Amino acid sequence: EVQLVESGGGLVQPGGSLRLSCAASGFPVSSDYLSWVRQAPGKGLEWVSVIYTGGRTYYADSVKGRFTVSRDNSKNTLFLQMNSLRVEDTAVYYCARLGEYCTSTSCYRGFDYWGQGTRVTGSS
Amino acid sequence: DIQMTQSPSSLSASVGDRVNITCRASQSISTYLNWYQRKPGKAPKLLIYAASTLQSGVPSRFSGSGSGTDFTLTITSLQPEDFATYSCQQTYSTWTFGQGTKVEIK
Repeated sequence: EVQLVESGGGLVQPGGSLRLSCAASGFPVSSDYLSWVRQAPGKGLEWVSVIYTGGRTYYADSVKGRFTVSRDNSKNTLFLQMNSLRVEDTAVYYCARLGEYCTSTSCYRGFDYWGQGTRVTGSS
Repeated sequence: DIQMTQSPSSLSASVGDRVNITCRASQSISTYLNWYQRKPGKAPKLLIYAASTLQSGVPSRFSGSGSGTDFTLTITSLQPEDFATYSCQQTYSTWTFGQGTKVEIK
């Protein structure tokens, strides 16, 4: 059974750093696309970052240059290093697997497994 | 970036009602459109991918339609467990979500 468990959230001052972890079970993190998605209070979901099976990474413009996604295959864990945190980074952060689904004509991706989320609060 | 706009932002409905939620993309995304169900304190759940394909285990009262820029999620005969927030997401170019539609009990 696929499971994702996030940890590492907390209260952090603006300009500070935090490292989120997402422990995976039921599949190797090296074999799937994995993402971080966040939801700020009263707002919708926002994609934050992705790491592909080959190791390529991509980021939303709002976090580019400040956040870094990585994985440790030996620990089967995904990470999100968050630096230069801002008040507007306050959100619940989810890790999610980006599964691939193919129809007769094309292949599509969707976030099919999610963790329960970890809360990050930026406040002075 | 592709923007996703959902309407309405919230709606009130009764058990047994038919509910339609629309999602509009700022440019054509073919059928690269997913729908998710969100409940407080729970992880989001993928309901539909490729605009109209039901994820395994999702009840058949849920359906999706559309292509290009305009999409619809339909719930026929709303059940008590369906009261939740529904979000669309485009996967044509990175990933963008709509702001969500909250379905509340009338």
